[in-house]
Amino acid sequence: QVTLKESGPGILQPSQTLSLTCTFSGFSLSTYGMGVGWIRQPSGKGLEWLANIWWDDDKYYNPSLKNRLTISKDTSNNQAFLKITNVDTADTATYYCARIRRGGGVFAYWGQGTLVTVSS
Amino acid sequence: DIQMTQSPPSLSASLGDKVTITCQASQNINKYIAWYQQKPGKAPGLLIHYTSTLVSGIPSRFSGSGSGRDYSFSISNVESEDIASYYCLQYDNSWTFGGGTKLELK
Repeated sequence: QVTLKESGPGILQPSQTLSLTCTFSGFSLSTYGMGVGWIRQPSGKGLEWLANIWWDDDKYYNPSLKNRLTISKDTSNNQAFLKITNVDTADTATYYCARIRRGGGVFAYWGQGTLVTVSS
Repeated sequence: DIQMTQSPPSLSASLGDKVTITCQASQNINKYIAWYQQKPGKAPGLLIHYTSTLVSGIPSRFSGSGSGRDYSFSISNVESEDIASYYCLQYDNSWTFGGGTKLELK
């Protein structure tokens, strides 16, 4: 059974760095073809893809945010991470992580999401 | 970057109606489009991938079609449990979501 769960700081101040953790089970990021992606959703608005990391450490970023994003993984602990630098109020959103597979390319399994609020 | 224009932003339907949502890509996406359903307070759930392939367990009243730049998603015989927001996702070149469609009961 595939499960994912996001964790984050809840609230942080403008200009700080947001650090998010995705802890998953039911698959391994050392398995060929596996990947984890991050997607966010401001309250009442649409979904925005942020970044993906693959089993081979290949990484893809949303071009509009690329300079602020860093995705990484800890295979031994079944975790993936996302850092967003220099946050502002526009980064307030629910952040989701999701499993993705090469050959499929879609986010088939999602975590429940974690709400991050940027406020001074 | 590929842009996905989804319409309409909102849709009102009666139970039993057929509804259709469209997504137009800014370039050919080779049928690499998926459709998600999201209910309030929940994560999106995958319904359809590769234009028309239904995920296991998804009712057959959901369907998808299209090619090139133009794609559609339909629900025939809308049921109360279908009231939700729907999003398309292109995954041919990077990943881009459409703006979403909120389906409400008339």
